[in-house]
Amino acid sequence: AQSVTQLDSHVSVSEGTPVLLRCNYSSSYSPSLFWYVQHPNKGLQLLLKYTSAATLVKGINGFEAEFKKSETSFHLTKPSAHMSDAAEYFCVVNYGGSQGNLIFGKGTKLSVKP
Amino acid sequence: GAVVSQHPSRVICKSGTSVKIECRSLDFQATTMFWYRQFPKQSLMLMATSNEGSKATYEQGVEKDKFLINHASLTLSTLTVTSAHPEDSSFYICSARDPGTSGGGPDEQYFGPGTRLTVT
Repeated sequence: AQSVTQLDSHVSVSEGTPVLLRCNYSSSYSPSLFWYVQHPNKGLQLLLKYTSAATLVKGINGFEAEFKKSETSFHLTKPSAHMSDAAEYFCVVNYGGSQGNLIFGKGTKLSVKP
Repeated sequence: GAVVSQHPSRVICKSGTSVKIECRSLDFQATTMFWYRQFPKQSLMLMATSNEGSKATYEQGVEKDKFLINHASLTLSTLTVTSAHPEDSSFYICSARDPGTSGGGPDEQYFGPGTRLTVT
């Protein structure tokens, strides 16, 4: 079955230190991959997406993610965390199909300590 | 970028009543909209896919008679929770696909800000 796994339910970093949020997907071919951020009681905002162009994708707010087919991974990184980055992050996969339904990971809560 | 709005942002209703949630695409026409439900500290679960001018496609386990979806125009889809019960309390999020930016493909979805439903 097609799935997406976020390996950490909670990640805590200090302000100014790097962020790594891990995501692995299962697939027999390259899907489209997304990272969304959700602040408390808010909708989802697209951070970045991979659609078979460059494997290193740059997004908003200094985030980037690298698509590694050999590892079936799409980890999200940021060199230096900011307090405003504290939120829930979802790795999302689109395996195609007529409706283009998205499959969501369970989410990773990022906490940023001062 | 494409903007999707939801109304209301928050609603409290009594058990047994019905509640309607609107999802609008503000600057594009959305032939397809999606309705998700999110429980506290959990991920989004797709409830149904709403297609303009036709019946919605419901995911397995979602009661179509309880969660009525209408997609009467290219910019508006509504979700009506009928005979609401406390267990229907949740965060409901809609999204819309903009075929103009995605070339008709499945990729780009724009999410609304969500509606917090509390049933007392």
